Formats: sequence, structure tokens, C-alpha cells
Amino acid sequence: AQTVTQSQPEMSVQEAETVTLSCTYDTSENNYYLFWYKQPPSRQMILVIRQEAYKQQNATENRFSVNFQKAAKSFSLKISDSQLGDTAMYFCAFMKHWRGGGSNYKLTFGKGTLLTVNP
Amino acid sequence: DAGVTQSPTHLIKTRGQQVTLRCSPKSGHDTVSWYQQALGQGPQFIFQYYEEEERQRGNFPDRFSGHQFPNYSSELNVNALLLGDSALYLCASSPRGRGVQYFGPGTRLLVL
Repeated sequence: AQTVTQSQPEMSVQEAETVTLSCTYDTSENNYYLFWYKQPPSRQMILVIRQEAYKQQNATENRFSVNFQKAAKSFSLKISDSQLGDTAMYFCAFMKHWRGGGSNYKLTFGKGTLLTVNP
Repeated sequence: DAGVTQSPTHLIKTRGQQVTLRCSPKSGHDTVSWYQQALGQGPQFIFQYYEEEERQRGNFPDRFSGHQFPNYSSELNVNALLLGDSALYLCASSPRGRGVQYFGPGTRLLVL
């Protein structure tokens, strides 16, 4: 079974600064996906970024980037130029890579990190 | 293009009752997964439907059941409600064979 650990229950950052959220995971799989999801107070879970384990290049999406260390089973999220709208709960999640057609595997989530961006 | 939609947004039930939650996937998506999110926790996987069949199931009792319709929409049914079933229930849809899931806004269930 896979496990996902987020060791920082809460973090805060000043507007316009950079913050890094940590995530570690445990798996015996070689091919898998890792995700960061954002859940603002309005509660809609939004996909922030996705990383495929077989790709060595770290994924980036505008101000969001990851540091994926496969050997260390570490997957951190860096938010640059933090904005007030980035205030949310951030969840790290794992999914096994599906080899068959259709469907896909379940997501396994960490417990989340509550990020507050201060003005 | 509408995203994943869920209904109702809120629901209050009493212990022992039954509830049905509904989900319409994003256009072009054929796989629907359901998650339970207790307050202050990460979502927990309940089950997944593809081609109108339950394909995977998490560690939830048989009181939790579901269905997928030919138009890919899905229902989650919970029988004999317990206080501990109070949670946010999230539906996520996926395009065929793709390793990504997109979530709906959720249904907040309160069991009294």
C-alpha cells in the first residue's frame, strides 16, 4: 500500500515571497504519478500540478513548480510570488500508473498543509 | 465547458436514514471516483466506476454503494447512516486511460 506524508500541518508566507511545501511518499511501484491539489475555503479541489515518475524533468505551471526526488521519494511544491488567492489547504497525492485501457487507479492523499498568505 | 457537477450541495439526515448523492462528470470523461473527506483530513477513496461497473473499492463497508449510468453520471448511496458518515463527499472524473482526476465541488453531508 502507498502512503503519503505531509509533515507541515500549517505554513504562512508573506505576499510576493516564495514558499515550499514538503511531501514524502512510500511505494514499491516504479511508475506512478504525483499531484498537488489545492482546496481553498470554498472547498473545490483544484489540480495544481502533475508529475509523471518516469520523467526526470520537474513539472512547472506558471508560479508553481515541483522538486521531484525519486530516489528519496520526495515531492515538494514551490510557490513563487505568493498571492492572497494562494491561501488554501494543499494536498499531495499519489496514483499508480495504469497500464491497461480506460479507468485509472485511486488517488492516495496526504493529510494536507494549510497555507496562509499574509498581506 | 462545464466541469464536474455534484448535487445536492448540502444535506442533513438523521441516523439510520439513507442518502443518494449525484455526480455528472466533465464532458469527455468516462471514469468516476468517489471520495470521503472528513473535517481536517485528506480525501479517502470510496470506489471507482468505469463502463458502469465498480472497478476498485476502498476500505468502506457495504453500506456504501454506487451506480454509473450510460451517460457516465454516477450516484453514491449510503444506507443506515451513522454519525461518523458526516463528511464532504467528493466526486472526481477522468478522461479514458489518463492519470489525472478532476474534482467537483462536493456534497456536505451532516448526520444528526
